[in-house]
Amino acid sequence: DAKTTQPTSMDCAEGRAANLPCNHSTISGNEYVYWYRQIHSQGPQYIIHGLKNNETNEMASLIITEDRKSSTLILPHATLRDTAVYYCIVRASGTYKYIFGTGTRLKVLA
Amino acid sequence: GAGVSQSPSNKVTEKGKDVELRCDPISGHTALYWYRQSLGQGLEFLIYFQGNSAPDKSGLPSDRFSAERTGGSVSTLTIQRTQQEDSAVYLCASSLDRQNTEAFFGQGTRLTVV
Repeated sequence: DAKTTQPTSMDCAEGRAANLPCNHSTISGNEYVYWYRQIHSQGPQYIIHGLKNNETNEMASLIITEDRKSSTLILPHATLRDTAVYYCIVRASGTYKYIFGTGTRLKVLA
Repeated sequence: GAGVSQSPSNKVTEKGKDVELRCDPISGHTALYWYRQSLGQGLEFLIYFQGNSAPDKSGLPSDRFSAERTGGSVSTLTIQRTQQEDSAVYLCASSLDRQNTEAFFGQGTRLTVV
């Protein structure tokens, strides 16, 4: 399974864009990049996923580098409710498991 | 309900007792996952069910852990002879199928073994 590397923690000012990086240098060609987040005491919540192209939905944007070795999750206008642990996951090739790492603890500051 | 439902939300049990944790997935979802999360840690995969296929039990930590899914819907995770290290939040998730669709997680069952 491809491994991901994320910073342990980040701070972001409320109303500013939060850019969360993820390295996945051993990703295979058919593996997708998924992002989930976990707000304190809740189950993880799906945010977005992508393969090659950049993706955007109502929650966030996902920017994947051309070589696919890294990606960035962008929350365009962070709010206090975006404070959570953000997990970058590469879906195991040919299987279905989500292998969760330790994620990035994002704190949005008022 | 609209989401994944887990029960009980909290369970305190004595060391050595057996416990059963229940998961009601979203209707129509054929894929079902169990994870556990120890305090301050990430999620640890336990088991995966997909339709009528044999489950992937590769994440179960010991033979004290078992799970079943009846009728392709409700799932029960059973822990026999509980130990203090089993204390964790047990999370269930479901998705439409195994192909690149999002997984929806329940709120979890917090298990405390005393």
